[in-house]
Amino acid sequence: EPEVTQTPSHQVTQMGQEVILRCVPISNHLYFYWYRQILGQKVEFLVSFYNNEISEKSEIFDDQFSVERPDGSNFTLKIRSTKLEDSAMYFCASSERDRGPYGYTFGSGTRLTVV
Amino acid sequence: AQSVSQHNHHVILSEAASLELGCNYSYGGTVNLFWYVQYPGQHLQLLLKYFSGDPLVKGIKGFEAEFIKSKFSFNLRKPSVQWSDTAEYFCAVNAGTGRRALTFGSGTRLQVQP
Repeated sequence: EPEVTQTPSHQVTQMGQEVILRCVPISNHLYFYWYRQILGQKVEFLVSFYNNEISEKSEIFDDQFSVERPDGSNFTLKIRSTKLEDSAMYFCASSERDRGPYGYTFGSGTRLTVV
Repeated sequence: AQSVSQHNHHVILSEAASLELGCNYSYGGTVNLFWYVQYPGQHLQLLLKYFSGDPLVKGIKGFEAEFIKSKFSFNLRKPSVQWSDTAEYFCAVNAGTGRRALTFGSGTRLQVQP
């Protein structure tokens, strides 16, 4: 069964540092997403991405965040200057073009710890 | 903006007991509804989904859910749980034409005792 792959599984970074979280979506999917889950809280939508541009974003996704599809396979989330409150589990997901949330597949997540 | 409420935060059942997890959402328009499961150390997996048609939907592993529009509810059920059903269960809503973002509930941790 096709999978969404996320690396690394756990990243520790110092406050103020830049981090890049990486995701390899399913190869024939065209919509990509980032969600996060702060420990003990809800899974929250961050951003969706299609055709090399952001199609939708939440209030959480401020100027500190950016997404990119640098090549044909990777989808990255960059946090420019990390804060303690960015510590969370970050989930990448992808879906087929015509199926939207019908065909969401989530990755196993990257646990980001900001110290 | 839509919101999702899961009232049961932690449920403990014995094997073979019946399960019902509550999910209520707030949104007046057309919604797509989902239940996801997250087994310990694993990623979110889709259990079942509702878009239209029969309000009683069947998913994987013997789970089903019923959409009751008048109650804004989408409760998850299973007649007889197994130890392997121990996991966290999330209800999610996608609302609004063209929107693809999911709004998740806070999750219910299910613990099944052998």
